[in-house]
Amino acid sequence: QKEVEQDPGPLSVPEGAIVSLNCTYSNSAFQYFMWYRQYSRKGPELLMYTYSSGNKEDGRFTAQVDKSSKYISLFIRDSQPSDSATYLCAMSGSTDKLIFGTGTRLQVFP
Amino acid sequence: DAGVIQSPRHEVTEMGQEVTLRCKPISGHDYLFWYRQTMMRGLELLIYFNNNVPIDDSGMPEDRFSAKMPNASFSTLKIQPSEPRDSAVYFCASRSSGDRVPNEQFFGPGTRLTVL
Repeated sequence: QKEVEQDPGPLSVPEGAIVSLNCTYSNSAFQYFMWYRQYSRKGPELLMYTYSSGNKEDGRFTAQVDKSSKYISLFIRDSQPSDSATYLCAMSGSTDKLIFGTGTRLQVFP
Repeated sequence: DAGVIQSPRHEVTEMGQEVTLRCKPISGHDYLFWYRQTMMRGLELLIYFNNNVPIDDSGMPEDRFSAKMPNASFSTLKIQPSEPRDSAVYFCASRSSGDRVPNEQFFGPGTRLTVL
């Protein structure tokens, strides 16, 4: 079993929809939780960062962490075609390494 | 300020040939990471350096892979001999231990490697 599990999709939604992306993990030592966005043929870029449990909001994006369930989510409100990308969750504990999910490919159509 | 620079952007080679991928991290960053990305396995960490010293190479698939960081501004990942199963996108990333966001890594554009 992988340390981080993520549904690869693809997920296809109409413009304006609310998108929910999720990851589960098995390592209870993880305390830093990130979402990276990767456009086609580009490197991943950090989108959201959360420490420990709770919610964090940034514009149309909300990141949630539930450590008791070992489950993290990224919500995108009022999705736009420019949100079409692959979204990777990433986690780390006390080490320098980030453990990535395989990524969920999102397509927002006009 | 320039981001992480990788070269070449694309590499097509034949099985058995030596391949060298290059990376220039962001100036001032003291960590450098090499990843491999495939559809099946996602983004896998191969090796990372701190202050030019290899810290963890447990992700390097086999002895055919080697990585060096001779100075703070340059690193190479070498595959010798290359095999078709090495075909993937290879990313280099760097970060600073003094960054506000712990463990935030900045990725280069990647090198798309195809081994025929």
